[in-house]
Amino acid sequence: AQSVAQPEDQVNVAEGNPLTVKCTYSVSGNPYLFWYVQYPNRGLQFLLKYITGDNLVKGSYGFEAEFNKSQTSFHLKKPSALVSDSALYFCAVREYSGAGSYQLTFGKGTKLSVIP
Amino acid sequence: DSGVTQTPKHLITATGQRVTLRCSPRSGDLSVYWYQQSLDQGLQFLIQYYNGEERAKGNILERFSAQQFPDLHSELNLSSLELGDSALYFCASSPTGAGSTGELFFGEGSRLTVL
Repeated sequence: AQSVAQPEDQVNVAEGNPLTVKCTYSVSGNPYLFWYVQYPNRGLQFLLKYITGDNLVKGSYGFEAEFNKSQTSFHLKKPSALVSDSALYFCAVREYSGAGSYQLTFGKGTKLSVIP
Repeated sequence: DSGVTQTPKHLITATGQRVTLRCSPRSGDLSVYWYQQSLDQGLQFLIQYYNGEERAKGNILERFSAQQFPDLHSELNLSSLELGDSALYFCASSPTGAGSTGELFFGEGSRLTVL
């Protein structure tokens, strides 16, 4: 089975500083990796994905993620954090369900707090 | 707005009762997924339907069942409810099939509180 791990339950960063939210993966074959964000009392919103190609993937709201095959990591990054980035972030990996279907397996989530 | 609609947004009920959660996928999406989010278990995949047929099962209890109707909306039925079933239940949809890269589009969730 495919899996992802988010080693940090919480990350605190000062507004304006760069932020990193970590994710490592364990998959067989080539991974399809995703980042989602969940704001309080809201559903999950898709941020970005890695399928193949460039190791640096750009997504919504100024976020980007770096795929590192040797370290089996897919860390989420942003050059300058905003208070409005405070939310719960989930890393996910695509798993084959059979008959041409897929589902996503999510990490436990990392709570990002950006301090003014 | 993801285009996925879930009702009800909030539901409070008692132990032993049965509830039904409803989901309308994005227009054109054939796959519907149900996830449960709780504080201790995180985001758990429950079940997936594709064009009316069950495709995959995750950590879904036998007291829970789901179906997808010909108009592609889906319902998640939770019965003999226990306190531990209190959680946020998400529905997600995706187009699936050839060319799909797998991202899911989530609804706002249905918050179930069992008292």
